Amino acid sequence: SQQGEEDPQALSIQEGENATMNCSYKTSINNLQWYRQNSGRGLVHLILIRSNEREKHSGRLRVTLDTSKKSSSLLITASRAADTASYFCATEGGSEKLVFGKGTKLTVNP
Amino acid sequence: DVKVTQSSRYLVKRTGEKVFLECVQDMDHENMFWYRQDPGLGLRLIYFSYDVKMKEKGDIPEGYSVSREKKERFSLILESASTNQTSMYLCASRLYNSPLHFGNGTRLTVT
Repeated sequence: SQQGEEDPQALSIQEGENATMNCSYKTSINNLQWYRQNSGRGLVHLILIRSNEREKHSGRLRVTLDTSKKSSSLLITASRAADTASYFCATEGGSEKLVFGKGTKLTVNP
Repeated sequence: DVKVTQSSRYLVKRTGEKVFLECVQDMDHENMFWYRQDPGLGLRLIYFSYDVKMKEKGDIPEGYSVSREKKERFSLILESASTNQTSMYLCASRLYNSPLHFGNGTRLTVT
């Protein structure tokens, strides 16, 4: 399986600080995606980064991808209490399946 | 905006019952997916479908079946519900090689 594994499992920070979450995977991929899930809800897509890209930005989000290390990171800058959620990476290889990791639970304290 | 609608937010069923979870999307997406989410295990793929009447097993298909008679609708069927199928079930759809759009989930309790 090419399941992504997020690290850390849980992260607690103060408002205004940056939050960094990491994802490692096992096999080659076409793209890697990050999703956010508020408690008890469905997941919402944040960013998709393709295997030939190294970095991507969207607002306060920055995603990097290192295919040689089979890893990705999600950086949330100047975090807010509303960023409190679980964050998941998902990898897509040659099949049409997306395989998710177990997630990082982020708590941003006001 | 894409909308993925799951028919129930909460469902309580008895062991041995046949359970249908329905999912409808309104964006003509080819691909549809069913995941289950359990604490500490993340999201695990049960089945997915890349076209009408086409289906592929995911990582944990045992005890489940699916039906895709129309492009917009993807149903998950628990033939004989068991307590270990108590979980949050998430449906998603997408175009090929594009992000997933999720429904809000169905929290199923089997007693």
